[in-house]
Amino acid sequence: GIQVEQSPPDLILQEGANSTLRCNFSDSVNNLQWFHQNPWGQLINLFYIPSGTKQNGRLSATTVATERYSLLYISSSQTTDSGVYFCAVGDTGRRALTFGSGTRLQVQP
Amino acid sequence: DSGVTQTPKHLITATGQRVTLRCSPRSGDLSVYWYQQSLDQGLQFLIQYYNGEERAKGNILERFSAQQFPDLHSELNLSSLELGDSALYFCASSKQGAGVETQYFGPGTRLLVL
Repeated sequence: GIQVEQSPPDLILQEGANSTLRCNFSDSVNNLQWFHQNPWGQLINLFYIPSGTKQNGRLSATTVATERYSLLYISSSQTTDSGVYFCAVGDTGRRALTFGSGTRLQVQP
Repeated sequence: DSGVTQTPKHLITATGQRVTLRCSPRSGDLSVYWYQQSLDQGLQFLIQYYNGEERAKGNILERFSAQQFPDLHSELNLSSLELGDSALYFCASSKQGAGVETQYFGPGTRLLVL
């Protein structure tokens, strides 16, 4: 099946800093979603982005499908951005999502 | 709020017991997915239903079963529970279940098997 690798596994930032999270995948995808899992365990949809670029406030994401990677940018980070960020993909043979192992982000005041 | 609801939020039970987790999809969504998040396996897909019928299976144990009812809510039944079944169980829904669309996740049910 498709493999999803996220980097870095852990990231510690000071409030106000910017960061880039990366997601590499091993095959063509027709679905790619970024999620934020907050400290209470909720999975919050950030982006549906199988290709192209999207922005939502301080967050933006870019997927280069031909090169099999996606990037999530967080600018001017806040303590509420802390949690685990997951990339999940779906390929043509599988409607369900395959998740990466996540990037654990800690934003310090 | 994703619009997907799950009950109960928390469940504590003993080994060997059986539990049922419930999920109501977003209004208008026909497909429901179940995922399990455990410390050692990460987030993995269990099973998908579309309009009442099973559509895809993932890493679901034989002790686990699911169904989707005519009103589109779904239940995940876990039986002969083991300590290793302790996990966060998520339900997600999407409009057509075709894969090329956003899946919206519920808040999860946290299961602890003692």
